[in-house]
Amino acid sequence: DAGVIQSPRHEVTEMGQEVTLRCKPISGHNSLFWYRQTMMRGLELLIYFNNNVPIDDSGMPEDRFSAKMPNASFSTLKIQPSEPRDSAVYFCASSSPPEQYFGPGTRLTVT
Amino acid sequence: RKEVEQDPGPFNVPEGATVAFNCTYSNSASQSFFWYRQDCRKEPKLLMSVYSSGNEDGRFTAQLNRASQYISLLIRDSKLSDSATYLCVVRGNTGKLIFGQGTTLQVKP
Repeated sequence: DAGVIQSPRHEVTEMGQEVTLRCKPISGHNSLFWYRQTMMRGLELLIYFNNNVPIDDSGMPEDRFSAKMPNASFSTLKIQPSEPRDSAVYFCASSSPPEQYFGPGTRLTVT
Repeated sequence: RKEVEQDPGPFNVPEGATVAFNCTYSNSASQSFFWYRQDCRKEPKLLMSVYSSGNEDGRFTAQLNRASQYISLLIRDSKLSDSATYLCVVRGNTGKLIFGQGTTLQVKP
């Protein structure tokens, strides 16, 4: 079975550029989560969707971050404009509750 | 106070040792409990769910004490391959998972 798929796996960009991270959840899972992980702050939930509808975006750091889920098999997390402090690993996870399964992550470096 | 608290370690143990990790959570309405394992530069992976009656999966035993809001993970006969960070995870009634900071285990030959 294919797990959660994320792309790109690595992204290096310059400050001010737009970054788009992509996620394909496990087929049949109705919940999707975006997380950010840093050494300092650990694993933080940014936003999650149930049946493609955003339920809780209280973890989104600021207006520079936005997420969409246009259908059950695809989601994006966009950062515009990016800043060096956005450098982190971004994980997407999907769930057929209660357990969640994570994708391999996107390692973002903003210079 | 953090919602889920763990001793970050590191725990350095020899092969074959038994090691126990503890975790406390603050929200008494929490509904589901898990242990995840995360290897360096990899994604968290579900190790096991934790049930009120306690549960075992091979060398791994998980316990939950709802009254004390306490979760534990016991690893018997540690292997080198058990070296990783172990994340205590709690799911509230909103569906969100709350992760602890993780406990690092290093098993040495």
